[in-house]
Amino acid sequence: KQEVTQIPAALSVPEGENLVLNCSFTDSAIYNLQWFRQDPGKGLTSLLLIQSSQREQTSGRLNASLDKSSGRSTLYIAASQPGDSATYLCAVFSEDSSYKLIFGSGTRLLVRP
Amino acid sequence: DTGVSQDPRHKITKRGQNVTFRCDPISEHNRLYWYRQTLGQGPEFLTYFQNEAQLEKSRLLSDRFSAERPKGSFSTLEIQRTEQGDSAMYLCASSPDGYYGYTFGSGTRLTVV
Repeated sequence: KQEVTQIPAALSVPEGENLVLNCSFTDSAIYNLQWFRQDPGKGLTSLLLIQSSQREQTSGRLNASLDKSSGRSTLYIAASQPGDSATYLCAVFSEDSSYKLIFGSGTRLLVRP
Repeated sequence: DTGVSQDPRHKITKRGQNVTFRCDPISEHNRLYWYRQTLGQGPEFLTYFQNEAQLEKSRLLSDRFSAERPKGSFSTLEIQRTEQGDSAMYLCASSPDGYYGYTFGSGTRLTVV
């Protein structure tokens, strides 16, 4: 059964710092991995989708990498801003989970001005 | 297309009452999903539809919960005899066929008092 873990659970950094959020999954047989952002009380906004054949995806100041064999993904945020404060969730499509995304519990990020 | 729409955004109900939520997916998406999210946790899968067919239900979906997707368009999620433990954010998502990632709605926040 696929399990997704995100470390750390919470992170507080000063504005301008580069930071890395970690996601690990137990079953490497995945189709893709998706990173989401969630603001308090809101729905999920898709940030990046990495297919299993890809190593990384970039969008603006965000870069996500995927290492299937080790069951890990990282989300790199460059030059963090207070507006980046949110919860970041990663989720995987696994071969054993049919068409369901399996989520981690998220990392709550606070960027201090 | 304005994305995935959910209605209402917030619902407060007394314990024992029935509630119904609506989700309008992206029109060309054949798959529709319902997830539930409690505070500090990642979303948990409830059920999913391929067009009008409900293909999978989580064991989280007790017999008080029912979901429909008539004609493969919008979907409704009904909770009968609500309990305080049903208080959560209910999220709807849709996706095209294949492994192309999900698009989520803004969610319905249910509070049972």
